[in-house]
Amino acid sequence: DSGVTQTPKHLITATGQRVTLRCSPRSGDLSVYWYQQSLDQGLQFLIQYYNGEERAKGNILERFSAQQFPDLHSELNLSSLELGDSALYFCASSEGQGGYEQYFGPGTRLTVT
Amino acid sequence: GIQVEQSPPDLILQEGANSTLRCNFSDSVNNLQWFHQNPWGQLINLFYIPSGTKQNGRLSATTVATERYSLLYISSSQTTDSGVYFCAVSGTYNTDKLIFGTGTRLQVFP
Repeated sequence: DSGVTQTPKHLITATGQRVTLRCSPRSGDLSVYWYQQSLDQGLQFLIQYYNGEERAKGNILERFSAQQFPDLHSELNLSSLELGDSALYFCASSEGQGGYEQYFGPGTRLTVT
Repeated sequence: GIQVEQSPPDLILQEGANSTLRCNFSDSVNNLQWFHQNPWGQLINLFYIPSGTKQNGRLSATTVATERYSLLYISSSQTTDSGVYFCAVSGTYNTDKLIFGTGTRLQVFP
């Protein structure tokens, strides 16, 4: 158990819908990261927050947004869902920013039908 | 950006065999991690090893940062070692995001 929790574990929804994925980092960790794992793209970095502020952005679509709250949990919002958004979404956390070890949650498996 | 290459892409072993997985990266890094993704999809941290050598039970890893490669050794493999092994790095100029290799799929048969 990495100490990072994600809910829900599984999500099945229809095209055009909006969903919210939730992540709680390890106790004391200030950085939260979101990654997407799809069959055709592999594991890709989406976005990072550090202590409530956006720190870095990767290949995140405009239909996707995220935030980190004062209690340090984070939410990833996916809207206007398409079939291609079906993937495993991981949240990770680390103590700080700049080269710290990242610990991954169990992931949320999103299926868009 | 940094390129990460892993080899071999697939590995089939009998229980008890040893194996070496390789990760090459194209630039200086300040983070290198090895993960095991089990058949249920969970990503398990194996090593945080931007340089040097570490051991944890039957697993060990070595990163030679000056030559831009890392090796993961699995000794006396067990069926529970099956899954995909990923190497991921972050660069010194873009310090936080992890760039993942395409993985080595390991199957261990009894």
